[in-house]
Amino acid sequence: DAGVIQSPRHEVTEMGQEVTLRCKPISGHDYLFWYRQTMMRGLELLIYFNNNVPIDDSGMPEDRFSAKMPNASFSTLKIQPSEPRDSAVYFCASSPLPGNTEAFFGQGTRLTVV
Amino acid sequence: AQSVAQPEDQVNVAEGNPLTVKCTYSVSGNPYLFWYVQYPNRGLQFLLKYITGDNLVKGSYGFEAEFNKSQTSFHLKKPSALVSDSALYFCASTAGYGGATNKLIFGTGTLLAVQP
Repeated sequence: DAGVIQSPRHEVTEMGQEVTLRCKPISGHDYLFWYRQTMMRGLELLIYFNNNVPIDDSGMPEDRFSAKMPNASFSTLKIQPSEPRDSAVYFCASSPLPGNTEAFFGQGTRLTVV
Repeated sequence: AQSVAQPEDQVNVAEGNPLTVKCTYSVSGNPYLFWYVQYPNRGLQFLLKYITGDNLVKGSYGFEAEFNKSQTSFHLKKPSALVSDSALYFCASTAGYGGATNKLIFGTGTLLAVQP
């Protein structure tokens, strides 16, 4: 398996624009997580899915953020409208059974909002 | 609030010397504990985990960690550091009971710098 695949690797956009980040989890993993990493706040869990269903979105910072998982092999994280403070590295991770098994992380998307 | 603390932003050690990266947790229930490593411009990679059983767990690249319930600690250790171990290290814990155990709480990370 190629691992968790995220696209794009880098994204630079202007404030107010819509941004869509994409993730392909490892096949057979029932759980998918979206994290945000910043210097100030470290690694934060935004939302996670189980079998394509959002389970906990309490980490989503505000209504400008939304995430979907239309099928087992694809998820998106959308920011609309984007703001400079959204600049961060966004990671997607998947796991077969979290809690007692490790999560596998993608290489991340570095988002810069100017 | 549930949390994981890594008290040191950076740890410096000479190559060949033992290293310790500290982690303490404040989580309800019996958490599962993890260490991950992040190299520049990469995602996090799993190193090792404690679920139950022996308090000393061994992981990848010669790393090990000791679970201490009384001190609520899970320090990462390696007997002899390599320059290639230089990276950002994250401690993580599952969060609480039931469905919450699906969530990982991460510490803020510790930058390990190994000098030749």
